[in-house]
Amino acid sequence: AQSVAQPEDQVNVAEGNPLTVKCTYSVSGNPYLFWYVQYPNRGLQFLLKYITGDNLVKGSYGFEAEFNKSQTSFHLKKPSALVSDSALYFCAVRATSGTYKYIFGTGTRLKVLA
Amino acid sequence: EAQVTQNPRYLITVTGKKLTVTCSQNMNHEYMSWYRQDPGLGLRQIYYSMNVEVTDKGDVPEGYKVSRKEKRNFPLILESPSPNQTSLYFCASANRGLGEKLFFGSGTQLSVL
Repeated sequence: AQSVAQPEDQVNVAEGNPLTVKCTYSVSGNPYLFWYVQYPNRGLQFLLKYITGDNLVKGSYGFEAEFNKSQTSFHLKKPSALVSDSALYFCAVRATSGTYKYIFGTGTRLKVLA
Repeated sequence: EAQVTQNPRYLITVTGKKLTVTCSQNMNHEYMSWYRQDPGLGLRQIYYSMNVEVTDKGDVPEGYKVSRKEKRNFPLILESPSPNQTSLYFCASANRGLGEKLFFGSGTQLSVL
């Protein structure tokens, strides 16, 4: 069965420091992987996706993510965190065959401290 | 402006009173879906639709109905709401391809008393 795990409910980081939000997945076949961000009282917004090719994917607002097939991970990163990055982040996966379902993780709340 | 529009934004109702949450998208997307968001559980898919008159169950379909009579609309129907359906609901749409990103509505906060 497909699944996505975000092992940290919350990540705290000081402004200006690098941040990492972790995501691991389980899917049959090759995965399509996504990161979405949710600001308070808003819907989810797309940040970036991995389909194929370069394992380092760059997205919106200076975020990037690294796909690691052997570790089945897709961690979200940013070299220098901003207070405005504070939000709820969701990792999602979609298998390349069979189901059209998107499977989401439970979300990680990122707090960037000034 | 490309968008997914959900209504209402907030809804308080009582157990057993039928309700409909509307969802409309203006991007001509084939794929539409409903999710509920609960603390600690993330987003769980309720139903999805690949095209007009084509719908399928997600992970938590019990107690919900959907219909897709037009490409742009995908209403979520709760025929007899119960308190365990109190949640934050999101509608989303996407183009058909597997690598396509989802566009989300702003959400509907439903409270069933």
